[in-house]
Amino acid sequence: SAVISQKPSRDICQRGTSLTIQCQVDSQVTMMFWYRQQPGQSLTLIATANQGSEATYESGFVIDKFPISRPNLTFSTLTVSNMSPEDSSIYLCSAGGGTGRGGELFFGEGSRLTVL
Amino acid sequence: AQTVTQSQPEMSVQEAETVTLSCTYDTSENNYYLFWYKQPPSRQMILVIRQEAYKQQNATENRFSVNFQKAAKSFSLKISDSQLGDTAMYFCAFMKLTQGGSEKLVFGKGTKLTVNP
Repeated sequence: SAVISQKPSRDICQRGTSLTIQCQVDSQVTMMFWYRQQPGQSLTLIATANQGSEATYESGFVIDKFPISRPNLTFSTLTVSNMSPEDSSIYLCSAGGGTGRGGELFFGEGSRLTVL
Repeated sequence: AQTVTQSQPEMSVQEAETVTLSCTYDTSENNYYLFWYKQPPSRQMILVIRQEAYKQQNATENRFSVNFQKAAKSFSLKISDSQLGDTAMYFCAFMKLTQGGSEKLVFGKGTKLTVNP
C-alpha cells in the first residue's frame, strides 16, 4: 500500500491569490494524479503529474491555471493560480498504479479550498 | 473515451440486509481494471474491491462482492450484512491498462448509500 499526505488539509483564500498544495507519498510510485471534487460530487481528473517532465492536462484544465510539479517519484505539487470563488473545491492527490500493485490508486485526504 | 455510469444517486438499506449498487461502463478496450471505491464523510477514498477484466471469476472481499458481466459492460457491487459503517459515497471506476502499467481512473458520479439502524 501507499500512504499519501497532503498539505494543507484546508485553507481559505482571497480572490486573485495562488495556493500550492503538496502531496507526499511514503513510497516510490509509478503514477501520480490530481483530481478535483466539488462537495457531494464525483472526482474530475485535472492532470497526470509526470516525473521529470510537464504534466498531462485533461480537457478544460490548463497549465497556466494549474501548474504541477513532480521532481521525483514520491512528491508532487499542484498550484491553483489567480483563484476565483469557482475554484472552491476539494483537491485530491492520487498515487500508485502499475500492474504490480494491481492497478490500485491510493488517495490523500484532500485539500479543501474556499475562495472568498 | 471511457465513461462510467451509476444510475442510482442515492440508496438506503437496513442494517444487516443486503444491497446492490449498479454500475455500467463503456469502453472499446479489452484490458482494464474496474474498481469500487468508498468515500465516507471523512473524505478519505478507500478501495473496496477490484476486478481484472481478463478474470471471469467475480471478485469478493468479505461482505463485498461484484457481479462482473463483461459483455454487458456491467459491474455491480453487492454489500451483504450491511453495517452502519458502510454509510458512504460509493464510486465505480474504470482504469485502462497499457504496456507501461496503468492509467488514470475514470469515475462514475457516485451512489450515496445510507445504512439505517
